[in-house]
Amino acid sequence: ETGVTQSPTHLIKTRGQQVTLRCSSQSGHNTVSWYQQALGQGPQFIFQYYREEENGRGNFPPRFSGLQFPNYSSELNVNALELDDSALYLCASSAAGRGGLTSTDTQYFGPGTRLTVL
Amino acid sequence: AQRVTQPEKLLSVFKGAPVELKCNYSYSGSPELFWYVQYSRQRLQLLLRHISRESIKGFTADLNKGETSFHLKKPFAQEEDSAMYYCALSRYNNNDMRFGAGTRLTVKP
Repeated sequence: ETGVTQSPTHLIKTRGQQVTLRCSSQSGHNTVSWYQQALGQGPQFIFQYYREEENGRGNFPPRFSGLQFPNYSSELNVNALELDDSALYLCASSAAGRGGLTSTDTQYFGPGTRLTVL
Repeated sequence: AQRVTQPEKLLSVFKGAPVELKCNYSYSGSPELFWYVQYSRQRLQLLLRHISRESIKGFTADLNKGETSFHLKKPFAQEEDSAMYYCALSRYNNNDMRFGAGTRLTVKP
């Protein structure tokens, strides 16, 4: 069983550019959640994908978008990058259903992608 | 809106001493509460969840709805417990998990 992987590990972009981050979910998991973790803060929920459809969204603007593919891997796209987008981006996979995470579901986190916006 | 507060950013104890990491939450419904841990150079991982009522690595956490707290406790801290600890809350069957800002625990020899 393979764990959650993310690419790239680090990324440096300039303000206004666009970025795509990638996540491969753990084998057997059909749900991927994305989080933004700013320095000194806990992870903040961006959105979740279940079976290729967005299944809930946090308080992030539309320039944060995503995709999930038939193999349940996922992408996070951020357009028009701002300095405040500099953060660690985490993805987490689980076997949660359309109703979302339950108390018995376990999210498995990837190592994260460190994005720096200059 | 649900919110999670971890009042201590840093907590330092000596090996063998009891440790308590505080977590308070605000949510009007029935919360699902979790503790996550991140050891040095490792990824974030689930430590325990309130519904299981089990002890993991000697840690326990009790949900106190009256005080809206979910403090993490261990009677005798070990050096390997040094890590970043996050308290998290989600609503039943909801995908928006809220994390606290975390507490960095250091256990000194």
